[in-house]
Amino acid sequence: GAVVSQHPSWVICKSGTSVKIECRSLDFQATTMFWYRQFPKQSLMLMATSNEGSKATYEQGVEKDKFLINHASLTLSTLTVTSAHPEDSSFYICSALTGTWGQPQHFGDGTRLSIL
Amino acid sequence: ILNVEQSPQSLHVQEGDSTNFTCSFPSSNFYALHWYRWETAKSPEALFVMTLNGDEKKKGRISATLNTKEGYSYLYIKGSQPEDSATYLCASEGGSEKLVFGKGTKLTVNP
Repeated sequence: GAVVSQHPSWVICKSGTSVKIECRSLDFQATTMFWYRQFPKQSLMLMATSNEGSKATYEQGVEKDKFLINHASLTLSTLTVTSAHPEDSSFYICSALTGTWGQPQHFGDGTRLSIL
Repeated sequence: ILNVEQSPQSLHVQEGDSTNFTCSFPSSNFYALHWYRWETAKSPEALFVMTLNGDEKKKGRISATLNTKEGYSYLYIKGSQPEDSATYLCASEGGSEKLVFGKGTKLTVNP
């Protein structure tokens, strides 16, 4: 149980393109979904927290107009990297939470984004 | 901002060896400590979530301890197997369900 599906796994695109990444909880309803980014040799860094039907909460230093998050249902959150540039190339991964604090997060497989 | 530190950064052991790694975290504003196992090309898998000082949890050959007063947790693997090869992440939860991750310890178990 507690499977999270993330698509696509790999994206290679030209600078200026917008890229959408989907995160779905397949067998449970997620009260909260999280989006992380990981640069080489660094830790997973939280970008934003999203709850169904409300605006995402962004971490300090993350541009909300650059990284658009939509959480339309209890099983789907999307991250859109708008007008992507090479510096946005990174590994993006989502997670979902079924309860409140002290519960494990369930992760997708991640998306490797490369902007040329 | 919480800083979570993990050591060692990487570790190579022989099959059958027992091993352990460390996670240190700020002890203030602590709610829970998470351990995840992340195999290459897969998603991170939750191992343990611990909340109480002195907590010990076990899952097969893997166990973990927690000291919230001094801000550290140990993860132990007894009789390592090649399938234990993965990156082990710890993360501190300081309320609001947000996790702050360490960089991980990459374990390689040689047959």
